[in-house]
Amino acid sequence: AQKVTQAQTEISVVEKEDVTLDCVYETRDTTYYLFWYKQPPSGELVFLIRRNSFDEQNEISGRYSWNFQKSTSSFNFTITASQVVDSAVYFCALSPAGAQKLVFGQGTRLTINP
Amino acid sequence: GAVVSQHPSRVICKSGTSVKIECRSLDFQATTMFWYRQFPKKSLMLMATSNEGSKATYEQGVEKDKFLINHASLTLSTLTVTSAHPEDSSFYICSARVQGQVNEKLFFGSGTQLSVL
Repeated sequence: AQKVTQAQTEISVVEKEDVTLDCVYETRDTTYYLFWYKQPPSGELVFLIRRNSFDEQNEISGRYSWNFQKSTSSFNFTITASQVVDSAVYFCALSPAGAQKLVFGQGTRLTINP
Repeated sequence: GAVVSQHPSRVICKSGTSVKIECRSLDFQATTMFWYRQFPKKSLMLMATSNEGSKATYEQGVEKDKFLINHASLTLSTLTVTSAHPEDSSFYICSARVQGQVNEKLFFGSGTQLSVL
């Protein structure tokens, strides 16, 4: 069975601080995909990144970066120089290859205070 | 990029009535769509997988007769909450997979907030 754990329920930081959202997953599959989604107050899910299990390269996209470590089954997400607009709930998700459906973590509510 | 349109965004209904939620892929064909449910401040739980032209596949614990899913075309899937009750109040969100691609971005609709009085 697959499981995704986001231990941080809520995080609150002051604008311009860096913040890391943790994600730990469990799976017996050798091939799988990991995702991060952002859910702003409006409710829609905004895709941020997809990473397959064979690609452990870290990725940077502007102020966003992701650290994938298979050895610890973690896929952490860092926002540098946070902004108020980054306030949202962030979900980490896992999908076995070919299964299509996503298993979501509990989500982390991030609040960036001005 | 691919867009998934979900309507209505919000619905309030009386207990006992049925509510239909539509999920449309606007610029791509989606042979498979997924329906998720999200309780307040909770994660998203997959309810069912909707396959064009065939019966939906429901997750364990989801009542098939309660949550009717129809995927009549490559661009439209509907979720009907039958005889809705207050415990059905929730945020429902659909996602669609671009045909021919596996585990790509899985575009999501904007969600439907259902409130049953």
